[in-house]
Amino acid sequence: SQTIHQWPATLVQPVGSPLSLECTVEGTSNPNLYWYRQAAGRGLQLLFYSVGIGQISSEVPQNLSASRPQDRQFILSSKKLLLSDSGFYLCAWSVLVEQYFGPGTRLTVT
Amino acid sequence: KQEVTQIPAALSVPEGENLVLNCSFTDSAIYNLQWFRQDPGKGLTSLLLIQSSQREQTSGRLNASLDKSSGRSTLYIAASQPGDSATYLCAVVNAGNMLTFGGGTRLMVKP
Repeated sequence: SQTIHQWPATLVQPVGSPLSLECTVEGTSNPNLYWYRQAAGRGLQLLFYSVGIGQISSEVPQNLSASRPQDRQFILSSKKLLLSDSGFYLCAWSVLVEQYFGPGTRLTVT
Repeated sequence: KQEVTQIPAALSVPEGENLVLNCSFTDSAIYNLQWFRQDPGKGLTSLLLIQSSQREQTSGRLNASLDKSSGRSTLYIAASQPGDSATYLCAVVNAGNMLTFGGGTRLMVKP
């Protein structure tokens, strides 16, 4: 069966520090991968999606970037965090039409 | 641009009630619609997926319907239980398999 992992589960970082969140998927090949953010008082927003290794599309301009170094690995990064980057970050995967979500990472920027 | 709205934003019901959650979307050219459940501080669990050619899907006590032409979907929960307490999210897919989410309905089922 397929599983999706995200780490860390929680993270507290000061403004201006770098960020690296990791997502890995097991039990499937060549999935589409997605990063979403859920900020307090706002809905889920798609940040990045990837249809293959090295192929990244961004939905919104922002302080974040994404990379896909391996087929089942998706990384969300920032060189310098802003307060507005705080939120709950969710990774998801799909092969056909249904999307499946990971457990999420709670990021607090102080 | 697709916009998804969920009504009500919050709902509190006694255990055993049947209830309906509503979802509406502005662009009817969708490929499918997905209902999710989110427990506090957790990720999303997929409940039901309705393809654009389908009218409804059922899983246990859950039934989701889709009226694409009017831009509406409903999630029906039969015989609600305290364990059903969570936030329910509706999301639609347009081109490119991108999900656009509604704001969610926070459900509390009281014992």
